Amino acid sequence: QSALTQPASVSGSPGQSITISCTGTSSDVGNYDYVSWYQQHPGKVPKLMIYDVSTRPSGVSNRFSGSKSGNTASLTISGLQAEDEATYYCSAYTSTSTLVVFGGGTKLTVL
Amino acid sequence: EVQLVESGPEVKKPGESLKISCKGSANSFNGYWIAWVRQMPGKGLEWMGTIYPGDSDTRYSPSFQGQVTISADKSITTAYLHWSSLKASDSAIYYCARQRAIGGGGRFYFYTLDVWGQGTTVTVSS
Repeated sequence: QSALTQPASVSGSPGQSITISCTGTSSDVGNYDYVSWYQQHPGKVPKLMIYDVSTRPSGVSNRFSGSKSGNTASLTISGLQAEDEATYYCSAYTSTSTLVVFGGGTKLTVL
Repeated sequence: EVQLVESGPEVKKPGESLKISCKGSANSFNGYWIAWVRQMPGKGLEWMGTIYPGDSDTRYSPSFQGQVTISADKSITTAYLHWSSLKASDSAIYYCARQRAIGGGGRFYFYTLDVWGQGTTVTVSS
């Protein structure tokens, strides 16, 4: 069982927007703005999409955005494209001895 | 170019030892922490631990403490992940990644992994 909870799957049609949630606790998401999101296509290396809750690295499309409320962080992808179909992982700093925790991953299907 | 290049795939038998490597360019290594992340077949990402090659300060996730050893040689900008006795359950893809952190005085906030190696596939089978 992963430390952060994500839905196993989400889906959307091209052009639509979807949101993936990532629920933690006051030891991680709730008390620190150190939440990241990674995109992983099948057989490929994970790619950083969002860090510090809502900051996009250079080169990442502005269709990707992040936010946080309480113990839950969210990744929103607007204007869905076929190339967005992938698995998305959230991660966060935790004040526990684990130091860094990941969610179990959410498979996004573009219909 | 900022990059991390990992060593090639490994096929080992249970009980054997193994050390895999992650070589960084100077701008991906110097002044940064390097983390290791496990991905078992068909599963998610798991943070194993991280090392600061500058002084070899190393932090482990409790799940991996005692199971692996993380080390580094800053003179050749290379980090390592070592097993002394492999198990079949160690079969996975292992990624190294540049770990961004802020803090000091022994307390660090590890906030993201921004550059990833290509991954090393380790297969342990009798």
